[in-house]
Amino acid sequence: KNEVEQSPQNLTAQEGEFITINCSYSVGISALHWLQQHPGGGIVSLFMLSSGKKKHGRLIATINIQEKHSSLHITASHPRDSAVYICAVSGTGNQFYFGTGTSLTVIP
Amino acid sequence: GAVVSQHPSRVICKSGTSVKIECRSLDFQATTMFWYRQFPKKSLMLMATSNEGSKATYEQGVEKDKFLINHASLTLSTLTVTSAHPEDSSFYICSARDVRGKRGYTFGSGTRLTVV
Repeated sequence: KNEVEQSPQNLTAQEGEFITINCSYSVGISALHWLQQHPGGGIVSLFMLSSGKKKHGRLIATINIQEKHSSLHITASHPRDSAVYICAVSGTGNQFYFGTGTSLTVIP
Repeated sequence: GAVVSQHPSRVICKSGTSVKIECRSLDFQATTMFWYRQFPKKSLMLMATSNEGSKATYEQGVEKDKFLINHASLTLSTLTVTSAHPEDSSFYICSARDVRGKRGYTFGSGTRLTVV
């Protein structure tokens, strides 16, 4: 069993739809990260959070420490949001566990 | 914000040759950098942790003589794939943590290595 599980693995949405990607983890963490990987491969760090909720533009990330669960929401989705979204958790020291990613395709 | 520059973005090399990949933190100091490998449709796999001024720490199963890591300064770490073979073809990506710890981990743009 992976330390970090994401769902769904693949997601197709119509432009404008509200999107939710879920992440569950089984280890103790110091922080949870949401990353975005575009087809070219480069990775962008979207959020780092250890409690509550963060918002950046149309992206919202929440975390529930007790339930070991996080969600990434995208409001008013756009084709340029198409990418792989990766949930990762950092433990004590430099341990870093990655989910396998959610491939999102937003259709115009 | 914190930026990590990784170079080259793509490289094709012949079997038996060596390839060097650079990872630079542009606007912050990184005492620790991380090297990952990503197989198609798989998650990132940590290969090694690069520590400035000391030897890298390799994950189990990663050959340290094949994947040479040098972290000579607070802003530069290099990964050299020695005597490359086709099975080394992969996507390699580095990340660094701002020593101030505020921005979490910043990732490079990755290097697509193809060994022919």
